[in-house]
Amino acid sequence: DGGITQSPKYLFRKEGQNVTLSCEQNLNHDAMYWYRQDPGQGLRLIYYSQIVNDFQKGDIAEGYSVSREKKESFPLTVTSAQKNPTAFYLCASSITGGLLNTEAFFGQGTRLTVV
Amino acid sequence: AQSVTQLDSQVPVFEEAPVELRCNYSSSVSVYLFWYVQYPNQGLQLLLKYLSGSTLVESINGFEAEFNKSQTSFHLRKPSVHISDTAEYFCALDGAGSYQLTFGKGTKLSVIP
Repeated sequence: DGGITQSPKYLFRKEGQNVTLSCEQNLNHDAMYWYRQDPGQGLRLIYYSQIVNDFQKGDIAEGYSVSREKKESFPLTVTSAQKNPTAFYLCASSITGGLLNTEAFFGQGTRLTVV
Repeated sequence: AQSVTQLDSQVPVFEEAPVELRCNYSSSVSVYLFWYVQYPNQGLQLLLKYLSGSTLVESINGFEAEFNKSQTSFHLRKPSVHISDTAEYFCALDGAGSYQLTFGKGTKLSVIP
């Protein structure tokens, strides 16, 4: 079945540690996105990538980093510089970067808790 | 700049009653509009979308939304809700050429038996 796989579903991290969230898609989509979701805040864009080896900062990129070495994969690293990393992280993909005549498909999310 | 405002953070409604979830947007360019649904601890699923053409769009499970350009709104409606409709609903906007979705803060729909 085609889709987006995020792993792990739950992740615990100690303060000061970097952590990488995995996102893999087998939909052959060009564009991929990372969103952060906090209660009552909706979804906020962290980074997005329209093609391999290229990515752009979203609205809240500080304290995060990404890579796009393969079309299928778009991992997100939450660094120790992120002051409030506890949140629900959602990865998404779409056929084209402009979302024209298409839709964004979402993974099941990773809930990160800093302890 | 573009923005999406969902006017109600929580909407309780009795089973089989009608419901309307309100969404207003602001954008200086032409827009595409979406409604997504999220069940607890899951990702988002597309419910319906407006790209062009008929201003009334429908989903397979009985929801509909109407694009109103003059009022910059895209309200979601269902004439009779079911317990299984309990979820959080997000309105989203893609301003032409923006390459990203802008989301509202969500509306939690609670259907009461």
